[in-house]
This record gives sequence, structure tokens and C-alpha cells, in this order.
Amino acid sequence: EAGVTQFPSHSVIEKGQTVTLRCDPISGHDNLYWYRRVMGKEIKFLLHFVKESKQDESGMPNNRFLAERTGGTYSTLKVQPAELEDSGVYFCASSQDLNTEAFFGQGTRLTVV
Amino acid sequence: AQRVTQPEKLLSVFKGAPVELKCNYSYSGSPELFWYVQYSRQRLQLLLRHISRESIKGFTADLNKGETSFHLKKPFAQEEDSAMYYCALLSGGYQKVTFGTGTKLQVIP
Repeated sequence: EAGVTQFPSHSVIEKGQTVTLRCDPISGHDNLYWYRRVMGKEIKFLLHFVKESKQDESGMPNNRFLAERTGGTYSTLKVQPAELEDSGVYFCASSQDLNTEAFFGQGTRLTVV
Repeated sequence: AQRVTQPEKLLSVFKGAPVELKCNYSYSGSPELFWYVQYSRQRLQLLLRHISRESIKGFTADLNKGETSFHLKKPFAQEEDSAMYYCALLSGGYQKVTFGTGTKLQVIP
């Protein structure tokens, strides 16, 4: 069974550009989460989807970040325009139910220069 | 607000020595705590959760509500235990997980 897949694995963009990260959850997992770890800091929750609905987006840093999950399958996280402080590793995770284990993708390392 | 503290960024131990990775938390409700591990070039994965009260790969962790701690322990470290370890707190019912900053465990042969 395929795990959570994230694309790309690494992205280097210039400040002011737009980047879109993609996450394909495990098939059948209704719950999808985005997290971020900026250098030297903890992994922080960004938001949680249940199917296509945003259940909790309290962790989104600002309106330059837009997450979508059309059709309740894969999700995208767009950063527009990117700033230097957006650099970090973006993790996606999915779980079947709210109280079952969440499985993580390998992360996308975003570098804004 | 909930918070997870892992005071050590790096912990180096010799193979066969005991390991204790410290984790303290602050949360006003009833916490559910986890340890996640990330081996080199691998995904972050769940190691154990306190409600399971199980031992995984020889690791155990006991929730101490009085000390608000959830330290991860192993009596004899192995080289393959070298990894990043994250303590995490689940607050509320929606898997909004708060992670600590992580501790890198280095087991010296």
C-alpha cells in the first residue's frame, strides 16, 4: 500500500514567487493535515481537512498560504508570494479516523532565496 | 495554550547504555501524548502513544501527570536507535498535534 506522498521533495524559489506543494494521502483517509517545521523550531500544525472541508485552519500563518482539497482526495498548499521566512519542511499526514494513527509523508523542503 | 518541551537538542550515549529522552508538557485538559521518530532519510512515524502502554523497539514512556512529563526510556541503546525523536501532544478531538522541537539521539558504537 502506498503511503502519504508529497511533491516535490525539494523546491528552491525566489522571494516573491509562487510555489504549490502537493500531498496525496493514503487512499480512503478522510483526514489530512499539513504541518511545517522552520529551521530550529518545532513542527507546527497548519491545518486539518476532513474530506474536502477545512476542519481547523488555525495554524495557517497568514493569507499568503492557501490550502485546498478539491474532491476530498489530494491536497495542495500554495504560498503566494513566498517570503524568506517561509523556508522550512512542510509535512503532510493523513489518518482514517480522528483517533487513529496519522501517517506522515516525507515532507517537502522549501527554500526561499 | 498547550506546549511541549524537549530540553535536549542532542543526546549522545554509548551503545548498551540507558537512554532517557525528556519531554514535559503543559495542557489544561486531559492530554494524549505520543513519541514520534524520524530515522535518517525516512518519514516521521509514530513510535508509541501513552494510552497504549506498550513497549516498541524496547522503548517505553510513562505519563506522569504530577510532573507533566512523558519521558522516553530504553534500558540499552542500540546503534539503530540513532534518530530524531519528537514528543507530541494531542489536544482536543481533531488530531491537532503539538510537537516539541525534537531531540537527536546519537548512539555511539
